[in-house]
Amino acid sequence: QQKVQQSPESLSVPEGGMASLNCTSSDRNFQYFWWYRQHSGEGPKALMSIFSDGDKKEGRFTAHLNKASLHVSLHIRDSQPSDSALYFCAASELPSNTNKVVFGTGTRLQVLP
Amino acid sequence: EAGVTQSPRYAVLQEGQAVSFWCDPISGHDTLYWYQQPRDQGPQLLVYFRDEAVIDNSQLPSDRFSAVRPKGTNSTLKIQSAKQGDTATYLCASSPGLGGFFGPGTRLTVL
Repeated sequence: QQKVQQSPESLSVPEGGMASLNCTSSDRNFQYFWWYRQHSGEGPKALMSIFSDGDKKEGRFTAHLNKASLHVSLHIRDSQPSDSALYFCAASELPSNTNKVVFGTGTRLQVLP
Repeated sequence: EAGVTQSPRYAVLQEGQAVSFWCDPISGHDTLYWYQQPRDQGPQLLVYFRDEAVIDNSQLPSDRFSAVRPKGTNSTLKIQSAKQGDTATYLCASSPGLGGFFGPGTRLTVL
């Protein structure tokens, strides 16, 4: 069973628009979240992490975490064609001796010029 | 700062052949992960190490896959007898704690 689910599978937004991506963990032990972006032919690169309830903003990217529902979202404002990529949500177990990180199924974002 | 390096970048095999992937993590990162990423899917954890110790290899097909990190730095992932279903990109990531920095991956095609 996939511990981390993402939606939608794919998303198209116009250049300058807002893209919203969603992620939910089904395991309460996995409640530390990251968003990664992967361009074709490259490894995933971390965009941002969020560990506490509420919003976290980094430039055009805002993540929102609701720990009660284990739901995290990523909002990209003023989307650019260079934002077109696969986006992954990743979740980690509570800090412990293990640093296990599991990835979601991904959302493919296309920003249309 | 140098990133995570992997080699080779590409590999093409016939079924039954063996292949090894090599990873050099970021210096000082004690945790190293190997992921398998089928095309257009999310990375799936195979195994991870803290220093030289295997922490979790429960998702590693142990009959054909093996992974080592003998000195707690570089790591090698080996497939003994490749199958068509092993076709994927193999990603290595390292971390000083939570999160991870990924290498570019090795794209494996098994014919």
